[in-house]
Amino acid sequence: KNQVEQSPQSLIILEGKNCTLQCNYTVSPFSNLRWYKQDTGRGPVSLTIMTFSENTKSNGRYTATLDADTKQSSLHITASQLSDSASYICVVSDILTGGGNKLTFGTGTQLKVEL
Amino acid sequence: EPEVTQTPSHQVTQMGQEVILRCVPISNHLYFYWYRQILGQKVEFLVSFYNNEISEKSEIFDDQFSVERPDGSNFTLKIRSTKLEDSAMYFCASRPSNQPQHFGDGTRLSIL
Repeated sequence: KNQVEQSPQSLIILEGKNCTLQCNYTVSPFSNLRWYKQDTGRGPVSLTIMTFSENTKSNGRYTATLDADTKQSSLHITASQLSDSASYICVVSDILTGGGNKLTFGTGTQLKVEL
Repeated sequence: EPEVTQTPSHQVTQMGQEVILRCVPISNHLYFYWYRQILGQKVEFLVSFYNNEISEKSEIFDDQFSVERPDGSNFTLKIRSTKLEDSAMYFCASRPSNQPQHFGDGTRLSIL
């Protein structure tokens, strides 16, 4: 059964500090891995997407890494801001027979940035 | 930037009643999806839809659920006879070929 596990479950950091969120997955066949940001009461918004051959990708202050051998990914946030407070969800896509894809979501890391 | 829009934002329904959740995907997108998120739990895949037919569905998507793209712009999720455990946020998503999914802001469904 495809699974995506994230840690920590929640995290509190001070504004301006860096943090790293972790994701482990068992999804097959693997297509790509995405990190989403979900603000309270809103839909998930894509931050990064990485395929099997990519091991790092940046989007502003967000940098994601992928180790396809160990099936691990991380999301590093630098110089955190209050607006970074949200749930960060690791999502792994497999490949459906006939095309298209199906996403398996992690439970998310709830990040709170404080003054 | 174009967005996936969902209506209503909150739907309250009596148990046993039918409910239709509506979504307007981004206009040039080809693949459409429904997900649900029970309060405090992770987002779960329900169904994917392409070329006017279901391409994949999860165990959750039983005979009580159906999807339809009636007019080329709307994409609906119908729950025929709602149960208390259907209470959740329901997210619609769409994407073009070889691009990530764009999510709507969801409909909160409350079953009384």
